[in-house]
Amino acid sequence: GAVVSQHPSRVICKSGTSVKIECRSLDFQATTMFWYRQFPKQSLMLMATSNEGSKATYEQGVEKDKFLINHASLTLSTLTVTSAHPEDSSFYICSASSVDSPSYEQYFGPGTRLTVT
Amino acid sequence: AQKITQTQPGMFVQEKEAVTLDCTYDTSDPSYGLFWYKQPSSGEMIFLIYQGSYDQQNATEGRYSLNFQKARKSANLVISASQLGDSAMYFCAMRYGGATNKLIFGTGTLLAVQP
Repeated sequence: GAVVSQHPSRVICKSGTSVKIECRSLDFQATTMFWYRQFPKQSLMLMATSNEGSKATYEQGVEKDKFLINHASLTLSTLTVTSAHPEDSSFYICSASSVDSPSYEQYFGPGTRLTVT
Repeated sequence: AQKITQTQPGMFVQEKEAVTLDCTYDTSDPSYGLFWYKQPSSGEMIFLIYQGSYDQQNATEGRYSLNFQKARKSANLVISASQLGDSAMYFCAMRYGGATNKLIFGTGTLLAVQP
């Protein structure tokens, strides 16, 4: 149980275009979803927290107009990187939790590797 | 402010031996949780073990155990009988933020298991 998927697993886009990443909880209802960014050989940095039906809460320094997050249902959250630039190239990982998660555990998706050329 | 510190960028261990990965934390919240995750080169985050701040006993999960020393604010991961498949990046993380249940991660330790 507690499986989270992400799509796509890899994406290459041209500078200036937008790209959407989907995060789905496959076998549970995710009341909260989290989006992280991980640069090579670095740690995971929390970008934003989203609750179903509410606006996302962004961490300090994360541009909300650039990283659009939508949590439309209890099983789906999307991250859209708008007007992507090479510096946005990174590994994006989502996680999901529910009120029933033991120890408030977050279940992680497999990640999406974004390359902006 | 919350902080997680992992001071070992890299560690080597011989197969079948035990290894300890260090983690110290700082928080003023009385209620928090500590996690260890394994990240192989594929990038997925694999949950290993959890310790709650009020748990009296150290957590254990198979070959993984967490040496929780609350007064020292340390939560070291012990891997017994290392296997080649244990080679990966290991992250210590702390849950904070009350109802928001955010995680803050350490910088990670790259473990290499040698045959």
